[in-house]
Amino acid sequence: DIVLTQSPATLSLSPGETATLSCRASQSLNGDLAWYQQRPGQAPRLLIYAASKRATGIPARFSGSGSATDFTLTISSLEPEDFAVYYCHQRTTFFTFGGGTKVEIK
Amino acid sequence: QVTLKESGPALVKPTQTLTLTCTISGFSLSSTGVGVGWFRQPPRKALEWLALIFWDDDKRYSPSLKDRLTITKDTSKNQVVLTMTNVDPVDTATYYCAHRSLESPRNWFDPWGQGTLVTVSS
Repeated sequence: DIVLTQSPATLSLSPGETATLSCRASQSLNGDLAWYQQRPGQAPRLLIYAASKRATGIPARFSGSGSATDFTLTISSLEPEDFAVYYCHQRTTFFTFGGGTKVEIK
Repeated sequence: QVTLKESGPALVKPTQTLTLTCTISGFSLSSTGVGVGWFRQPPRKALEWLALIFWDDDKRYSPSLKDRLTITKDTSKNQVVLTMTNVDPVDTATYYCAHRSLESPRNWFDPWGQGTLVTVSS
């Protein structure tokens, strides 16, 4: 199985600040990685796919980068609705998710 | 508009078989390239993929659970059913189904259903 390791586990920030989330894969994904947002009590929502492409309707403050084993999700100027848990997800070998990063209000 | 909704028992006893239904709308289970996946999320834990069924009835299962899972579809009823045998308290989780197709986009899972919480307890 491909293991996805997310860091940090928790990120404490204030609205308006920038969040930088990391996801490391145990083997190369050739850019085939997605990011999901999960708000409390809600289902996951696709934010980013193919490492850097925003899904339909996702604000431009969300951006993704990375290609082989190291990936980053950046949320510029955090809005109140951005405080949530974020998961990275790969489909190169079966389907796995990272352990999640919780972005909480400082 | 693509939507999915999970349904099933809220409580099952250990060793029983769990049957979950995903009712879809806004797309067809027989359309080329379409797939529906099942996932679960134990309380306060990460997501886990369970199974996936394609429009042509091809199926994929999580290697760690494949002996306990069966996924089927009923195109006429717009439903995808997941059964899990011999459940245990560790199977307590919110179970989600999700759509994938080229328009998802590019076969990523989106959207997801609202989820259904299943508790395994005697």
